[in-house]
Amino acid sequence: SYELTQPPSVSVSPGQTARITCSGDALPKQYAYWYQQKPGQAPVLVIYKDSERPSGIPERFSGSSSGTTVTLTISGVQAEDEADYYCQSADSSGTYLVFGGGTKLTVL
Amino acid sequence: EVQLVESGGGLVQPGRSLRLSCTASGFTFGDYAMSWFRQAPGKGLEWVGFIRSKAYGGTTEYAASVKGRFTISRDDSKSIAYLQMNSLKTEDTAVYYCTRESTGVVIPGHGFDIWGQGTMVTVSS
Repeated sequence: SYELTQPPSVSVSPGQTARITCSGDALPKQYAYWYQQKPGQAPVLVIYKDSERPSGIPERFSGSSSGTTVTLTISGVQAEDEADYYCQSADSSGTYLVFGGGTKLTVL
Repeated sequence: EVQLVESGGGLVQPGRSLRLSCTASGFTFGDYAMSWFRQAPGKGLEWVGFIRSKAYGGTTEYAASVKGRFTISRDDSKSIAYLQMNSLKTEDTAVYYCTRESTGVVIPGHGFDIWGQGTMVTVSS
């Protein structure tokens, strides 16, 4: 079955830039989406279609794509950004959705 | 206020059935695709399935782990999406979330922008 691969954890100091990657063979064909989830809360969409930012999401969140890897970048990380981040996409047929395993962002 | 509220979760024995409901408010329900996701305790997010809007045939897709056991339906007149879960297994234990997607087709889509608070389903004898 199709899988997306994320690093389990990323740590940064406040004000630095955090980059979270997500790799998958179908990513050149299918868009990627990023969700932020804080403990005990429902996920929040922070990036859609690789690099689009929903209204209300701070400009420090951005997304990019290169080949089989997409990247979520958080510039000027703040303490409130500490959360789990999940990438989501579809398989090459465009039928099934799939999530990465999630990355825990720790703000030191 | 745009809102999704799940209900119907609880404790159920293996092999039994349960139906979850997702009641929407604050938006034109029929224009949206609706999807269900789940999250087992301490684990990551897992897609369960989705139903496209009627404009795209109202068709459904399911994850392999639930296909043939779970069924998603929608009642646009009541703004409710349903998840019928049959032949439940212990590994179905999770918080179940419903979400919406604005294009109605999901793939490619605009992502799932509104999520419910989730409802816990525990499958245990």
